[in-house]
Amino acid sequence: QVQLVQSGAEVKKPGASVKISCKASGYTFTSHYMHWVRQAPGQGLEWMGIINPGGGSPTYAQKFQGRVTMTRDTSMSTVYMELSSLRSEDTAVYYCAREAGDFDYWGQGTLVTVSS
Amino acid sequence: QAGLTQPPSVSKGLRQTATLTCTGNSNNVGNQGAAWLQQHQGHPPKLLCYRNNNRPSGISERLSASRSGNTASLTITGLQPEDEADYYCSAWDRSLSAWVFGGGTKLTVL
Repeated sequence: QVQLVQSGAEVKKPGASVKISCKASGYTFTSHYMHWVRQAPGQGLEWMGIINPGGGSPTYAQKFQGRVTMTRDTSMSTVYMELSSLRSEDTAVYYCAREAGDFDYWGQGTLVTVSS
Repeated sequence: QAGLTQPPSVSKGLRQTATLTCTGNSNNVGNQGAAWLQQHQGHPPKLLCYRNNNRPSGISERLSASRSGNTASLTITGLQPEDEADYYCSAWDRSLSAWVFGGGTKLTVL
């Protein structure tokens, strides 16, 4: 069965960077793009960008351009999302979600807390 | 980035029917429709309906989706306590070259 397993919670100081992993299993890793979506406490969903595990450049939401980097490691069936210059407003749960027409499978989420 | 518009809350009685709406424009919902996601507190979202209104395997037949112009709708019949959750719509926006979400609707089953 399809599974997306994300790395654990992180606590970061303002200005730092965070890198979250999302390991895929149960399907051919390179056959489906992967989204990153975040959700601030008590708020809705916010799309951050998408990466093709099969290759090519990721596409980032305009809001995160210059601060986000999405990468892949096909040998590990894992995608990564790094967000830099963290501020308190980046405190959120970050999700990876497989693209198969729409967001059909989601990781369990990774809580990132930005606090001094 | 401009998002999709959903009513913040909807309340319906047990075994009643709820219809949730999602309004966008001709570049997103009006172009390819909207997908629907359900999220229970403390859990990741779950896909309920694809943009083509089809349900993934295992999703209840009590759920159905439709679209009229720039507005997508999700109808849930025979409401059950487990239907109480937050519901989000999502769509691809061709003018933004980005995915957009609605702000979510909290469905309360009375």
